Amino acid sequence: SAVISQKPSRDICQRGTSLTIQCQVDSQVTMMFWYRQQPGQSLTLIATANQGSEATYESGFVIDKFPISRPNLTFSTLTVSNMSPEDSSIYLCSVGGRGGELFFGEGSRLTVL
Amino acid sequence: AQSVSQHNHHVILSEAASLELGCNYSYGGTVNLFWYVQYPGQHLQLLLKYFSGDPLVKGIKGFEAEFIKSKFSFNLRKPSVQWSDTAEYFCAADQTGANNLFFGTGTRLTVIP
Repeated sequence: SAVISQKPSRDICQRGTSLTIQCQVDSQVTMMFWYRQQPGQSLTLIATANQGSEATYESGFVIDKFPISRPNLTFSTLTVSNMSPEDSSIYLCSVGGRGGELFFGEGSRLTVL
Repeated sequence: AQSVSQHNHHVILSEAASLELGCNYSYGGTVNLFWYVQYPGQHLQLLLKYFSGDPLVKGIKGFEAEFIKSKFSFNLRKPSVQWSDTAEYFCAADQTGANNLFFGTGTRLTVIP
């Protein structure tokens, strides 16, 4: 299994600002995944981040709103840009295991006022 | 469209009661199936997974799940729940084999001592 650390664990932000969430993994991984878990809803994949290439975004998510960096094999960031209250959510970083499963960080709980 | 359905939103049981949480998926063809658990204040953890072979899969903490292809189902079971099983349970499916998991909306289980 992998140990995944996310920062911040929670934050309260003002509308129109941006927040960058950091994800650190204790081992080198090829792909990292960013999910969103909105209140009372399922986890939704935002994008897949490969080291050395552009992130691949799922339908409904765009790079201008959720820019992602992947500078090396153990680290990634997700920025939530120009935030609105609808962006209030838990953002989760995850990495794939050898058995096809995903390992998750503890998440970053974002509240936008 | 690909989807995973969990019809039970909140289940309340007394200790020692038997548990069955429903999960249905809409994929055709080969699919990998997972159950995750999220205890209060903790990150998502893998309970069990099914890729192929014996359709009855045993996981951690006494949980098991049965894959029934004809019903597109992967229900989670436990013969006797404990108070410590109070958590949110998520079913997930991956058709690609590339860690691209789609999650159900989750079922909150409350076990009353």
